[in-house]
Amino acid sequence: QVQLVESGGGVVQPGTSLRLSCAASGFTFRRYGMHWVRQGPGKGLEWVALIWNDGSNKYYGDSVKGRFTISRDSPKNTLYLQMNSLRAEDTAVYYCARDSTGWGFDYWGPGTLVTVSS
Amino acid sequence: QSALTQPPSASGSPGQSVTISCTGTSSDVGGYNYVSWYQQHPGKAPKLMIFEVNKRPSGVPDRFSGSKSGNTASLTVSGLQAEDEADYYCSSYAGSNNLLFGGGTKLTVL
Repeated sequence: QVQLVESGGGVVQPGTSLRLSCAASGFTFRRYGMHWVRQGPGKGLEWVALIWNDGSNKYYGDSVKGRFTISRDSPKNTLYLQMNSLRAEDTAVYYCARDSTGWGFDYWGPGTLVTVSS
Repeated sequence: QSALTQPPSASGSPGQSVTISCTGTSSDVGGYNYVSWYQQHPGKAPKLMIFEVNKRPSGVPDRFSGSKSGNTASLTVSGLQAEDEADYYCSSYAGSNNLLFGGGTKLTVL
């Protein structure tokens, strides 16, 4: 069965960096685009980034453009999110999700919490 | 770009039907048939309920249906059950490889 498991969250200070990982299993990872989506405490969902199945194209939401980088290691079945220059407003649960048809996300991980606080 | 507009809350009694709206613009909801709906129970990850406006993934009950008219998409839950109580989010492709979510609707089963 399809499984996505995020890791790497934690408490960090403003201005610092953090890298999240998402381990994928149960499907052919290299065939699917992958996304990161976040949810601030008590808030709604926000799309963060997309990487194509072959890693050739990457796209970002406006609030993270220039600070976050999405990448993947298909032989390791792992998705990454490098987050730099973190701000308090980046505090959220970060989910990785598999791309389905029509920009739907058909499988999600349980999420990892990132807290940016001094 | 602003988030899509959803009512903060909706409610219905068991067995009834309830419809949740999701309003955008001609640049997102109205411009593409790429509207999805997600169900999220407290402390859990979202679950895809509808994609491409009105398609149901395998395993989603046919009590859940989606539609769109102009710049507004809708999710209808028929035959409400206690387990349908959750937060519901719409999303829409907004062009230029960008995606917008709605602010979410808390559905209460009375």
